[in-house]
Amino acid sequence: DAGVTQSPTHLIKTRGQQVTLRCSPKSGHDTVSWYQQALGQGPQFIFQYYEEEERQRGNFPDRFSGHQFPNYSSELNVNALLLGDSALYLCASSLPWGNSPLHFGNGTRLTVT
Amino acid sequence: AQSVTQLDSQVPVFEEAPVELRCNYSSSVSVYLFWYVQYPNQGLQLLLKYLSGSTLVKGINGFEAEFNKSQTSFHLRKPSVHISDTAEYFCAVSNTGFQKLVFGTGTRLLVSP
Repeated sequence: DAGVTQSPTHLIKTRGQQVTLRCSPKSGHDTVSWYQQALGQGPQFIFQYYEEEERQRGNFPDRFSGHQFPNYSSELNVNALLLGDSALYLCASSLPWGNSPLHFGNGTRLTVT
Repeated sequence: AQSVTQLDSQVPVFEEAPVELRCNYSSSVSVYLFWYVQYPNQGLQLLLKYLSGSTLVKGINGFEAEFNKSQTSFHLRKPSVHISDTAEYFCAVSNTGFQKLVFGTGTRLLVSP
């Protein structure tokens, strides 16, 4: 049973560029959340997708956008990259109710130069 | 708004000794509480969760935590640690209606022989 898979594992981009990160949820899960983890910090909630719609959003600018596909996979897009966007981006999948625990992937390490 | 405080950024301990990692939270509503572990270059793995019921929660790898509502704490304990327990540990809180997790800044557990 495959868990949450994310691609790519590492990515290097230049300031001002755009990036797309991908996530496939754990089998049986239909809800996908994205988190940003800066070096030495705890993860911070970006947004959550359910039924192909953004259900809730954290305190991130509009440069961060997402999408969920009918097969429940998801993309995170970041436009106009800043040096401060360098971080580990974690995808988590779950069932849609509050007591369903999140299962995390291994993340995508984004470096902006 | 919710917040989580992990007072200890690093906890050194000898193998086979007991350990306690402290977590305090702040919330004006009912909460769910979680402990996650992160090994180097990996995502987060759920250790245990408190949703309701018994305040003593047992998790994987011999870890347990106790929910104390009056002290707004959820400390993690293990009676005897192993070298393989060396990792970063994150405490997280969410309200009971939604899955947005608010994480602490993490505690690095360093187990030495």
